[in-house]
Amino acid sequence: NAGVTQTPKFQVLKTGQSMTLQCAQDMNHEYMSWYRQDPGMGLRLIHYSVGAGITDQGEVPNGYNVSRSTTEDFPLRLLSAAPSQTSVYFCASSYSDQSAYEQYFGPGTRLTVT
Amino acid sequence: AQKITQTQPGMFVQEKEAVTLDCTYDTSDPSYGLFWYKQPSSGEMIFLIYQGSYDQQNATEGRYSLNFQKARKSANLVISASQLGDSAMYFCAMRENGGGFKTIFGAGTRLFVKA
Repeated sequence: NAGVTQTPKFQVLKTGQSMTLQCAQDMNHEYMSWYRQDPGMGLRLIHYSVGAGITDQGEVPNGYNVSRSTTEDFPLRLLSAAPSQTSVYFCASSYSDQSAYEQYFGPGTRLTVT
Repeated sequence: AQKITQTQPGMFVQEKEAVTLDCTYDTSDPSYGLFWYKQPSSGEMIFLIYQGSYDQQNATEGRYSLNFQKARKSANLVISASQLGDSAMYFCAMRENGGGFKTIFGAGTRLFVKA
C-alpha cells in the first residue's frame, strides 16, 4: 500500500492563480481531510469528507473548494491564491470518524504564494 | 468548544533520559479520543499513541506512554530513554465522538535531544 499520497510536493503560485492539490489513498478509508500547517499554529482543518459525494467545512475553509467523486481521491482547489495561503498542506485519511481511529497523513505540499 | 493547549514551545532533554510533553484539553463531550503525533524535520506526521476518554488505563506504545488525568483534562506524553532520533515537533490532538470527523491540534512542542 502506498498509503496517502499528495502531489505536488512543492508549488509556487502568483497571487490570483488557481491550482489543485491532489490527494489519494489506497486504504479504502471513508474519511479524508485537508489541513494547513502554519508556524506556531499546529494543524487547522480546512475541509473534510465522510464519504464519496459528501464534504463539509472545517475550521478555515475560506478560499478553498473540495470534492469527493471517489473514495480514493480528495483534491483541494485554491480558487484565487493569496499570500495568506502560503502554508504546508496535509491530506489525511481515517477508517472511521470514531475517536479511536487515528489519521494517516500524506507527506505534505509546501505552497508559496507570491 | 474543543481546545488543545501545549504550553511548551520547546524542550531540551539529555539522551537516555525521560521527558514529559504537556497537553491540556477542553471539551464538553464525554466521549473523545486523544492522540499524539510526531513530526520530524522531514515533515511527515507520524502517529504515536492514542487514549480514549473511557480507557481505564494509561496508553503505552514502546517508549511512549500517555499520562492521562481526566479530571484535570491533561494528556501528557512521556518519552522514556530519549534518543537523538526523538528530536522533532510533537503535536497533541483531540477528536470528539460527537463532533463528526473534526480533529483539532495543539500548536506543538519542539523537542531537542542532546547527546
